[in-house]
Amino acid sequence: GAGVSQSPSNKVTEKGKDVELRCDPISGHTALYWYRQSLGQGLEFLIYFQGNSAPDKSGLPSDRFSAERTGGSVSTLTIQRTQQEDSAVYLCASSLFPRGEDTIYFGEGSWLTVV
Amino acid sequence: GNSVTQMEGPVTLSEEAFLTINCTYTATGYPSLFWYVQYPGEGLQLLLKATKADDKGSNKGFEATYRKETTSFHLEKGSVQVSDSAVYFCALPDYGGATNKLIFGTGTLLAVQP
Repeated sequence: GAGVSQSPSNKVTEKGKDVELRCDPISGHTALYWYRQSLGQGLEFLIYFQGNSAPDKSGLPSDRFSAERTGGSVSTLTIQRTQQEDSAVYLCASSLFPRGEDTIYFGEGSWLTVV
Repeated sequence: GNSVTQMEGPVTLSEEAFLTINCTYTATGYPSLFWYVQYPGEGLQLLLKATKADDKGSNKGFEATYRKETTSFHLEKGSVQVSDSAVYFCALPDYGGATNKLIFGTGTLLAVQP
């Protein structure tokens, strides 16, 4: 696609429910990232996928968070038993290669509100 | 790991004023440095980057010079416009194994008044 596409753009869910957030990266990009942006916390790295390598999950805040990337393309971030502190904007990004100088392109984010 | 420290905001300026947003970094070696911008209601987008020491990145009238002596990458613009109102993030990659994730500063909100 022309850019990184995320869905849903907005999600309101009740505490304790599970949510899935979807990311469709730029076609041909091998690296895919999830970040979280919340008030007072800045941009927080969550997880990184590169090709067929094992993902870097070092940023996931708890075992309620998981992500997968199917076929080296679309990714889904799943939050189980959501809590109010999970309310944030979840940003997906992709880059052509995982080199330090490569530009990372961001989607517009999925705004999650847990009530 | 690598880290970045960014000037806190908000920064409020009048149109046509000079802008500086400070960014300093701590890094192993000389990684590429980036400024990203987030306009109201939009996602992050790359504003400019510099891939090696002494390089100057520029875009839309903004400039930043990669200074290894002072480990800085300050963002500047000679004459800001209302349309520049946004949140600006300084960033650099943090190499951990095979990961090339970007580490971001806390962001600086710029508000330009007419």
